[in-house]
Amino acid sequence: DAGVIQSPRHEVTEMGQEVTLRCKPISGHDYLFWYRQTMMRGLELLIYFNNNVPIDDSGMPEDRFSAKMPNASFSTLKIQPSEPRDSAVYFCASSLWSGSTDTQYFGPGTRLTVL
Amino acid sequence: AQSVTQLDSHVSVSEGTPVLLRCNYSSSYSPSLFWYVQHPNKGLQLLLKYTSAATLVKGINGFEAEFKKSETSFHLTKPSAHMSDAAEYFCVVSARDDKIIFGKGTRLHILP
Repeated sequence: DAGVIQSPRHEVTEMGQEVTLRCKPISGHDYLFWYRQTMMRGLELLIYFNNNVPIDDSGMPEDRFSAKMPNASFSTLKIQPSEPRDSAVYFCASSLWSGSTDTQYFGPGTRLTVL
Repeated sequence: AQSVTQLDSHVSVSEGTPVLLRCNYSSSYSPSLFWYVQHPNKGLQLLLKYTSAATLVKGINGFEAEFKKSETSFHLTKPSAHMSDAAEYFCVVSARDDKIIFGKGTRLHILP
């Protein structure tokens, strides 16, 4: 298996633009997670899905952020409009079953820079 | 409620000497505990996990951790550090309500 795939790996955009990050989880995994990592705040869980259904989005910072999982093999995280404080590395991870006790497999991350 | 505290933000050791990365947790339920490693510009990778089986858990690359309920600790150790161990290490706690909490991370530096 290729592991969790994220695209793009790097994104540079200007304030106010829409940004879409993409994730393909490991085939057969039921759980998908989106994280944000910054120097100031460390690693934060934004949202996670179970069988394509959002379970907990309490970590989503504000309405500018939205996430979807239209099928078991694809998820997006969208920021509209983007702001400089959204600059961070965004990770997608997936796990086979239970979100709390199973190993999470992380993608390589998308480094977002908002100018 | 649950939380996790990594007691050191940076640890420096010489190559060939032991490594100790400290982690304390609190949890209202029997926790699952994990250590993940993140090498520069990479995603996180599981080192080891504790899920209420043996209290001494062995992981990859010679790392191990011991679950001590009385001390609410899950410290990560390795007998002999290697240059390739230089990375950031995250202690993670989770419980049955599916809340997953990551520690702030400990950056391990290996001195030649």
